[in-house]
Amino acid sequence: QLVLTQSPSASASLGASVKLTCTLSSGHSTYAIAWHQQQPEKGPRYLMTVNSDGSHNKGDGIPDRFSGSISDTERYLTISSLQSEDEADYYCQTWDTGIRVFGGGTKLTVL
Amino acid sequence: EVQLVEIGGGLVQPGGSLRLSCAASGFIVNNNYMSWVRQAPGKGLEWISVIYSGGSTDYPDSVKGRFTISRDNSKNTLYLQMNSLRVEDTAVYYCARDTVSDGFDIWGQGTMVTVSS
Repeated sequence: QLVLTQSPSASASLGASVKLTCTLSSGHSTYAIAWHQQQPEKGPRYLMTVNSDGSHNKGDGIPDRFSGSISDTERYLTISSLQSEDEADYYCQTWDTGIRVFGGGTKLTVL
Repeated sequence: EVQLVEIGGGLVQPGGSLRLSCAASGFIVNNNYMSWVRQAPGKGLEWISVIYSGGSTDYPDSVKGRFTISRDNSKNTLYLQMNSLRVEDTAVYYCARDTVSDGFDIWGQGTMVTVSS
């Protein structure tokens, strides 16, 4: 079964960096995932896709502060030089034939 | 400008029906996969339907048999027909462009559906 697992919360200081993790279920290490940001009271916004080879493709207008990487079944979103507007919920998402799957989301607090 | 705009949300009684619309601009709905995603109050995102460029569809078990996704090519608009609505269907409903290799790359602003007596 295709499942994505995220930690419910994370925090980091203004100007620092943070690395959010999305873990694919066993046997799904070749899957790409997408990262989406949802600021308070807003709809989701596509950030990037992280591919199984470690490359990532960012959406239009996404700052260079946002980057993606991988390690086996883990997919990462790194945000550097944290700004107050980065405080948001971050969801990972993947897909297979006939299904689309979201992780439970990580609430990022910028201290 | 590439965008999606949903309309059609509102208050409906349990067992009732509602149709949501999602108007696209800047790209052709018919040439793309399109999905609906919902978010219950205080909860995470849940995928609920996809229509492929060829016209076939898929749904998770939570809505299969009750919800129907469709599109009108002449209006460049996506629809979600929701029947036999339940209290647990209360959520903000989003449409999204569902790419083959990048996931959901364009999102609408969402429309709220409340199922309550």
